[in-house]
Amino acid sequence: EAGVTQFPSHSVIEKGQTVTLRCDPISGHDNLYWYRRVMGKEIKFLLHFVKESKQDESGMPNNRFLAERTGGTYSTLKVQPAELEDSGVYFCASSQAEGLGTGELFFGEGSRLTVL
Amino acid sequence: AQKVTQAQTEISVVEKEDVTLDCVYETRDTTYYLFWYKQPPSGELVFLIRRNSFDEQNEISGRYSWNFQKSTSSFNFTITASQVVDSAVYFCALHNRGFQKLVFGTGTRLLVSP
Repeated sequence: EAGVTQFPSHSVIEKGQTVTLRCDPISGHDNLYWYRRVMGKEIKFLLHFVKESKQDESGMPNNRFLAERTGGTYSTLKVQPAELEDSGVYFCASSQAEGLGTGELFFGEGSRLTVL
Repeated sequence: AQKVTQAQTEISVVEKEDVTLDCVYETRDTTYYLFWYKQPPSGELVFLIRRNSFDEQNEISGRYSWNFQKSTSSFNFTITASQVVDSAVYFCALHNRGFQKLVFGTGTRLLVSP
């Protein structure tokens, strides 16, 4: 069974440009999460989808970040326009319907974003 | 407030040494879960263990063991007879029931030399 897959693995863009990150969760997982790790710091929660609905987006830094999950399958995270401080590794994770309370999160390999 | 502290930024050991990675957490909730994840050079976060706040028994899985002590709010992770393949960044994380998100520490980079 395929795990959580993320694309691209690494993106280098200039300040002011737009980048879209994609996450394909494990098939059948209703819960999808985005996390971010800025260099050397903790991994921080960005938002949580249950199917296509945003359950919690309290971690989104600002309105330059837009996440979608149309049809409750894959998700995209768009950063527009990108700023230097957006550089980091963006992780996607998924879990089954019961969520964290009964199970684990399965993480992807992350998408490294470098903003120059 | 929920917080996880991993005070050790980087640890270097020689193969076959035992090593303990520290994790201290803060939470006001009585029901919570603690996790350890491993991030190998390939980048993905690999689940190692999940422990709920009502189970303070230590757990052993092969060369890995975990020591959960509520009295000191710690959930330390020990690798016995370390191997080069153990080299990775290890993250401790906290989940409070009712919130579908993890609070992570800053991670500890473990380097095991041959």
